[in-house]
Amino acid sequence: GDSVTQMEGPVTLSEEAFLTINCTYTATGYPSLFWYVQYPGEGLQLLLKATKADDKGSNKGFEATYRKETTSFHLEKGSVQVSDSAVYFCALNRDDKIIFGKGTRLHILP
Amino acid sequence: DTGVSQDPRHKITKRGQNVTFRCDPISEHNRLYWYRQTLGQGPEFLTYFQNEAQLEKSRLLSDRFSAERPKGSFSTLEIQRTEQGDSAMYLCASSFPAGGVGEKLFFGSGTQLSVL
Repeated sequence: GDSVTQMEGPVTLSEEAFLTINCTYTATGYPSLFWYVQYPGEGLQLLLKATKADDKGSNKGFEATYRKETTSFHLEKGSVQVSDSAVYFCALNRDDKIIFGKGTRLHILP
Repeated sequence: DTGVSQDPRHKITKRGQNVTFRCDPISEHNRLYWYRQTLGQGPEFLTYFQNEAQLEKSRLLSDRFSAERPKGSFSTLEIQRTEQGDSAMYLCASSFPAGGVGEKLFFGSGTQLSVL
């Protein structure tokens, strides 16, 4: 079945470092792809999405590009902040529901 | 606050007891989802409704689990004869699919269930 695989955490970086969180997917057809984020003590919320190949989703300085050739949707940010510390989930849609990866915990040190 | 609300926030129960959780979605949203999340895992789909119709239920879902959305507004998730393996965070989400699939889900803060 359709699935998402993302890099295991935790990922620990210093403030202002460059961030990449890898995500690959397995799916029939071309699903929409998402990154959701869960900040400490808060509910899951959508960070960004891309609905077709070569689309780039962006929000809050984060970006991810839908790569059909490599079935990937890696999350990047050029300069992370302490406030970016959270758990990040890569996801895809299949038949009106969202399928999530296991999540990657990110710690940003001041 | 007009977000998705879930009640209770925490529930501790003994094995074999029944529990019921409630979710109030964003008022104009016609789709409502239930997910389960355990520590270190992503949310796992359980079931979803469009208005009052339950359109899909995960094959992984035991028949001890039942969900309703009687008037197309709030929803309840009941677990009968709870087991320790049911301990998890139960998440509710809603959406308004203006453009079809792939729309944004709005999540509640969840109900943390602990089965002793």
